[in-house]
Amino acid sequence: DAGITQSPRHKVTETGTPVTLRCHQTENHRYMYWYRQDPGHGLRLIHYSYGVKDTDKGEVSDGYSVSRSKTEDFLLTLESATSSQTSVYFCAVLKQGDYGYTFGSGTRLTVV
Amino acid sequence: DAKTTQPNSMESNEEEPVHLPCNHSTISGTDYIHWYRQLPSQGPEYVIHGLTSNVNNRMASLAIAEDRKSSTLILHRATLRDAAVYYCILRDVWGGSNYKLTFGKGTLLTVNP
Repeated sequence: DAGITQSPRHKVTETGTPVTLRCHQTENHRYMYWYRQDPGHGLRLIHYSYGVKDTDKGEVSDGYSVSRSKTEDFLLTLESATSSQTSVYFCAVLKQGDYGYTFGSGTRLTVV
Repeated sequence: DAKTTQPNSMESNEEEPVHLPCNHSTISGTDYIHWYRQLPSQGPEYVIHGLTSNVNNRMASLAIAEDRKSSTLILHRATLRDAAVYYCILRDVWGGSNYKLTFGKGTLLTVNP
């Protein structure tokens, strides 16, 4: 849907290492989002982007940074992964005109 | 964003209609009512949205109360594939807060064969 690809789909990493998750879209949508989903918390917004080089923080942005140098790619970086960042990460795009959001299939990240 | 209240869980039988309620008593005049669902091990997917009038699409119907303080998502014939968490979300029609969606806990729908 909306040509969204998240990579990797699964990753196990060690505490303290940097990790970058990638969200790639093929339909030139302006708005892109990163959410995390944890049991008991539901989906929470980490960061979002409203254009190339235009990003802003969501409700749980501490420990995360993002970059968007091209319309099609939105990168989420954990500078120094911690166990509390073990989660499922979802990327989403906003499809203009019909107010609908399309989500990727998710990346399951485990920090050991 | 205005808050919504949904039951934690509901059960239905296959091929029967399902009515999923949502209360949003603090809804503003410019809030759209959105419904998304999340199937197991997948990302959320858009189901339907509306502002004031009832809406129908191939997936479901949305019935909106006249005072807009509540709405109901209707699945006309539940199938096992409809088992999911259903989220009712309000979003400002003018795209306030840069079109962000705020998810609550949703309703876990179980469909019995």
